[in-house]
Amino acid sequence: QQQVKQSPQSLIVQKGGISIINCAYENTAFDYFPWYQQFPGKGPALLIAIRPDVSEKKEGRFTISFNKSAKQFSLHIMDSQPGDSATYFCAASGAGANNLFFGTGTRLTVIP
Amino acid sequence: SQTIHQWPATLVQPVGSPLSLECTVEGTSNPNLYWYRQAAGRGLQLLFYSVGIGQISSEVPQNLSASRPQDRQFILSSKKLLLSDSGFYLCAYRVGLVNEQFFGPGTRLTVL
Repeated sequence: QQQVKQSPQSLIVQKGGISIINCAYENTAFDYFPWYQQFPGKGPALLIAIRPDVSEKKEGRFTISFNKSAKQFSLHIMDSQPGDSATYFCAASGAGANNLFFGTGTRLTVIP
Repeated sequence: SQTIHQWPATLVQPVGSPLSLECTVEGTSNPNLYWYRQAAGRGLQLLFYSVGIGQISSEVPQNLSASRPQDRQFILSSKKLLLSDSGFYLCAYRVGLVNEQFFGPGTRLTVL
């Protein structure tokens, strides 16, 4: 059973546009929600993360929006650039847990 | 600062041969260590994690095993590789209470 559901599977955005990737979870014990960025042939890099005590977190052009009641969170990439073209993974984890449950990934392509 | 190394970077092995992948972390002590596998175009599957020397937890039953002979060294092994063992193997570490995991560069394993 997929603990974290991610959509869309792939996304094409024009340079300068907004990229939006969505994730949903069921386990209300989850309290840590990171996003990872992965370039081909490389390991995933932690991009930004949020805890459920806030509804939004922004770092540069990257913003996480979190809706606790809907059990959903999303990544927004503002002013998307060709260098943002990568696969993005959302994940979730419970307090004190070792498991990070990953979504299946979104392949983002930003066209010039 | 902390760094994580994996080797080899790529490996091509015949079916039935043994496997040994190594992961080391620098710049920290007593990290939690993790092995993940990523199949082509798929998400990340947690294989093993370790909270200390000699302590290994297995998440998925298979023909792989893990060992932690030193505080900052994590090894993934197999006695006899299967075709289905092909994939991208990632090591990760965590040093705090929050499940913030940092990934290594990965090893691309092809079993022929």
